[in-house]
Amino acid sequence: GAGVSQSPSNKVTEKGKDVELRCDPISGHTALYWYRQSLGQGLEFLIYFQGNSAPDKSGLPSDRFSAERTGGSVSTLTIQRTQQEDSAVYLCASSLIKNTEAFFGQGTRLTVV
Amino acid sequence: KQEVTQIPAALSVPEGENLVLNCSFTDSAIYNLQWFRQDPGKGLTSLLLIQSSQREQTSGRLNASLDKSSGRSTLYIAASQPGDSATYLCAPDQTGANNLFFGTGTRLTVIP
Repeated sequence: GAGVSQSPSNKVTEKGKDVELRCDPISGHTALYWYRQSLGQGLEFLIYFQGNSAPDKSGLPSDRFSAERTGGSVSTLTIQRTQQEDSAVYLCASSLIKNTEAFFGQGTRLTVV
Repeated sequence: KQEVTQIPAALSVPEGENLVLNCSFTDSAIYNLQWFRQDPGKGLTSLLLIQSSQREQTSGRLNASLDKSSGRSTLYIAASQPGDSATYLCAPDQTGANNLFFGTGTRLTVIP
């Protein structure tokens, strides 16, 4: 597609359940990033994938969070045993290579009840 | 850790005015800095990217400047329009890998 696509756009889940969020980056972009934006707070970096290199997971808030990127394209962010504090908008971005403009998807709004 | 401050937090101007949004950051060791706009219910739209070696970038009615040594960037919007109403975020990149640190933004309202 023309832009970064994320699904679902909205997700409501019960506390303790696992969720998977999907990101389709712009075709040909080698770098992919996940961020989250909690209510009333700024955007927070979570994880970064660059090509086939090991991902930079330094922003993941706990071991309940994991992400993978299959075939250098689609990425899935998984949150296990969700907690209410995980409620946020999760944004995915891609860029052609590192140190270039980042293009963001519209985000997935996650609500944990 | 990089801290980003944007002033003002909110700004309301009549249509047609020129305006300046300010961004300051504590760690000047950056690769680049991006300005984004965020519309309600939508993702971020990249406006301008300034490399650390550059002092300014222009795109249409937008001009962004960067003073890396003093940890400041400004976004100048000329002849503002109601469609410019959005939250504007600046984000310095520490590593060149889009490990962006975001400010909380300036919410701009342009009144017709």
